[in-house]
Amino acid sequence: SSELTQDPAVSVALGQTVRITCQGDSLRSYYASWYQQKPGQAPVLVIYGKNNRPSGIPDRFSGSSSGNTASLTITGAQAEDEADYYCNSRDSSGNPLFGGGTKLTVL
Amino acid sequence: QLQLQESGPGLVKPSETLSLTCTVSGGSISSSSYYWGWIRQPPGKGLEWIGSIYYSGSTYYNPSLKSRVTISVDTSKNQFSLKLSSVTAADTAVYYCARHEKVRDNWFDPWGQGTLVTVSS
Repeated sequence: SSELTQDPAVSVALGQTVRITCQGDSLRSYYASWYQQKPGQAPVLVIYGKNNRPSGIPDRFSGSSSGNTASLTITGAQAEDEADYYCNSRDSSGNPLFGGGTKLTVL
Repeated sequence: QLQLQESGPGLVKPSETLSLTCTVSGGSISSSSYYWGWIRQPPGKGLEWIGSIYYSGSTYYNPSLKSRVTISVDTSKNQFSLKLSSVTAADTAVYYCARHEKVRDNWFDPWGQGTLVTVSS
């Protein structure tokens, strides 16, 4: 069965760089999209496609992929980046699939 | 600016049918190439895709929910709707609607603010 696996929690010092990863066999064939979700709010798309940012998303957010792993990198993390992050791709049938989410703490 | 807004009852009894509507403003639901999707999030848990619909009425559903889900579209009202039958406490969640890019890629944007649906007698 298809799965997207994320580390449950990651921390980063203020101003440093952090990489949040998403692993799954489907990532060998499909790009991942990434969402930021703050408490009590709806998810917000931050990265889609090969490495595209929607309008309004800071350029410190970037995406990459290698083999079965997709990564979201935040270069120079800010306090406001503390949130849950979810990856999204497709399962083996082409249906949308979300990872379990990573809680990012900015120290 | 495209905006989506969910509406519907916040409390549903077990075994009954959950019904929600998503109203799209700032753009047409008939826009080519985009689907319109439903995603849910149980309290304290992750996101689960429920299903998506094209303005023509073409649908596709999460296989794990397919037997209980119906998504429909009303282009005259710029709305699409979700029905989930035979609900249990496990269906308690925040339900989101979102525009779904499905054809060339796979992403959801923007999202509605979400609506909490509690299944309880």
